[in-house]
Amino acid sequence: QKEVEQNSGPLSVPEGAIASLNCTYSDRGSQSFFWYRQYSGKSPELIMSIYSNGDKEDGRFTAQLNKASQYVSLLIRDSQPSDSATYLCAVHNQAGTALIFGKGTTLSVSS
Amino acid sequence: EADIYQTPRYLVIGTGKKITLECSQTMGHDKMYWYQQDPGMELHLIHYSYGVNSTEKGDLSSESTVSRIRTEHFPLTLESARPSHTSQYLCASSTSGGMGDTQYFGPGTRLTVL
Repeated sequence: QKEVEQNSGPLSVPEGAIASLNCTYSDRGSQSFFWYRQYSGKSPELIMSIYSNGDKEDGRFTAQLNKASQYVSLLIRDSQPSDSATYLCAVHNQAGTALIFGKGTTLSVSS
Repeated sequence: EADIYQTPRYLVIGTGKKITLECSQTMGHDKMYWYQQDPGMELHLIHYSYGVNSTEKGDLSSESTVSRIRTEHFPLTLESARPSHTSQYLCASSTSGGMGDTQYFGPGTRLTVL
């Protein structure tokens, strides 16, 4: 069973700080990685995708991928209370036929 | 921006009733998915379709069935609802691109079976 592991949290950071969310995966052949944000009672919303080793930046968000360590992370700079949500890491299996979701990390940003 | 719709958004129904949850997308995506998510828990794939007349069961065993007669439409049916079916049902769609599909989610249907 291919797995995606995340620390469930809650991760608490003050407003303006950097929030760091981490994810590990077991399928060494995975090629595509995604971060979704899910507010309570809502559906997941895509934040970023990343396919190559290294960093990918989009506004206040930076995704980092290390395939050798089977590790993907999401950094949120200048965290805002509106960033308070559950962040889901999702990984495609090697065949690209299924997207495996982690349980999510709950982030709380205090003002 | 994804255009994917689900109806109803909320449904409270009695045990034994037949229900159909609707999902439609206007993006022409060939792939569609149904996930089940209990509060505070992870998403579980219950059905998926890679095109018209193609349907497959996902990782989580489900008593529901799906059909894909039109590209844009992927309804999910429960023949006889039970309290154990109480959950949030999320529909998603994607199209192949680059290194992998990017899935976009609808707003979800929150189902309560009494």
